[in-house]
Amino acid sequence: DAKTTQPPSMDCAEGRAANLPCNHSTISGNEYVYWYRQIHSQGPQYIIHGLKNNETNEMASLIITEDRKSSTLILPHATLRDTAVYYCIVRGSGNTGKLIFGQGTTLQVKP
Amino acid sequence: NAGVTQTPKFQVLKTGQSMTLQCAQDMNHEYMSWYRQDPGMGLRLIHYSVGAGITDQGEVPNGYNVSRSTTEDFPLRLLSAAPSQTSVYFCASSSSGTSGSRNEQFFGPGTRLTVL
Repeated sequence: DAKTTQPPSMDCAEGRAANLPCNHSTISGNEYVYWYRQIHSQGPQYIIHGLKNNETNEMASLIITEDRKSSTLILPHATLRDTAVYYCIVRGSGNTGKLIFGQGTTLQVKP
Repeated sequence: NAGVTQTPKFQVLKTGQSMTLQCAQDMNHEYMSWYRQDPGMGLRLIHYSVGAGITDQGEVPNGYNVSRSTTEDFPLRLLSAAPSQTSVYFCASSSSGTSGSRNEQFFGPGTRLTVL
């Protein structure tokens, strides 16, 4: 599975959009981009995933560049409860129950 | 549905002691995994299983054993605890699904282990 690079920390004002970048320049054609987040010391929680098209669900939007070497997770209206560590993970199409986590981005939403 | 449950929530061991961390899921998921998380770090995969009777090593398997005799349970055994194994341990499960499907992993609440 390809490695990912994320900024260690970011701040966002409450009510504004939070844009979290991820670089995955070695991603291969059959690998998906997944985003999870971990609030405080809880277990990580799935947010969204995509292959090459932009995706949106009730939690967030995922924008993947045309060359698929980077992506951006967008939380459209960040709240204080969105303060968490966000992990961008690249995973092959074969699901084996493996996720390889990096260091993630600590997002601090400020009032 | 209880989801993924882990016991105990907290545990203190002395160096050299052994113990088993329990993990159970009631979602009939084929895949189960164990991760550890050290302070300020991301999660690292210890062992995983794609079904009953099948297990494999992850990134940091040394010092840990697993077995998968049923779909529901996936215990993690520490053979001889060491201070370096002080960490938070998370168990996770997911369904097989088809290629590209959500296949999200559901995580348990974690076990906080301290080895003195």
